[in-house]
Amino acid sequence: ETGVTQTPRHLVMGMTNKKSLKCEQHLGHNAMYWYKQSAKKPLELMFVYNFKEQTENNSVPSRFSPECPNSSHLFLHLHTLQPEDSALYLCASSPTARVDTGELFFGEGSRLTVL
Amino acid sequence: AQTVTQSQPEMSVQEAETVTLSCTYDTSESDYYLFWYKQPPSRQMILVIRQEAYKQQNATENRFSVNFQKAAKSFSLKISDSQLGDAAMYFCAYRFIQGAQKLVFGQGTRLTINP
Repeated sequence: ETGVTQTPRHLVMGMTNKKSLKCEQHLGHNAMYWYKQSAKKPLELMFVYNFKEQTENNSVPSRFSPECPNSSHLFLHLHTLQPEDSALYLCASSPTARVDTGELFFGEGSRLTVL
Repeated sequence: AQTVTQSQPEMSVQEAETVTLSCTYDTSESDYYLFWYKQPPSRQMILVIRQEAYKQQNATENRFSVNFQKAAKSFSLKISDSQLGDAAMYFCAYRFIQGAQKLVFGQGTRLTINP
C-alpha cells in the first residue's frame, strides 16, 4: 500500500452532479489536507483536519464539503461545481498539524473536469 | 502574509550538467521552514530537501543542495549531475514554525532534462 491513496484518479462531472473524492493514508498520521492545484497557479490550501477536527477552511466555496470520519480517511464532497473548479485535487497527510519537520506526504491526486 | 515566488516557469538542462532553480519568499517571521518538493508527471509530490531558517548551514541531500540567503529571502535549489529522472515540476514552499501546518507554495518550475 502506498502512503497516501486517492480515488478516483480521474473524474468528469457535469455542473449538476454530486460526486466525492476519497483519500486514505496508511502512515498513522493525524493531520490531513486538501489542496487544489490549477495550471500555472500555486497550490491552494483548501482544508486542514487535525485529529478529525477541521482546523482550517481557506475560504472555500460551500459547493466543496469535506468530511473526515477518522484520522485515516478524508473525503471531499462535490456538488453544483463550476467549470473553473476543474483542477488536480491533492490530498496530503502529516503526523500532526503542529509537527516540527513540516513535511507533508501527498497522494497522486484526483484530476477533476467539470463540464 | 507569506508569499513564495518562483520566477522561472520552465528550465532545461543537459543530462549530467548542473542546474539552479530560484525561489524568493516574503515573511516577517524569523523562524520558519523552507522546502523544495518534486512532482514528476502523474506521480506523487515528494519532499526533496528541507531547510530550517535558524540553521546557517545549507542543507544537502546527495545531488541536491540549497543556497539559503536569509537576509535576501532567497532559497535556490541546485541539482548536480542532472539525471533523466529529475525531470519534474519543482515547488518551493514555506512554513512558519509555530501554529498550524500550513505550507505556502510557489507557482512551480518545470524542469526538463535533455539527453
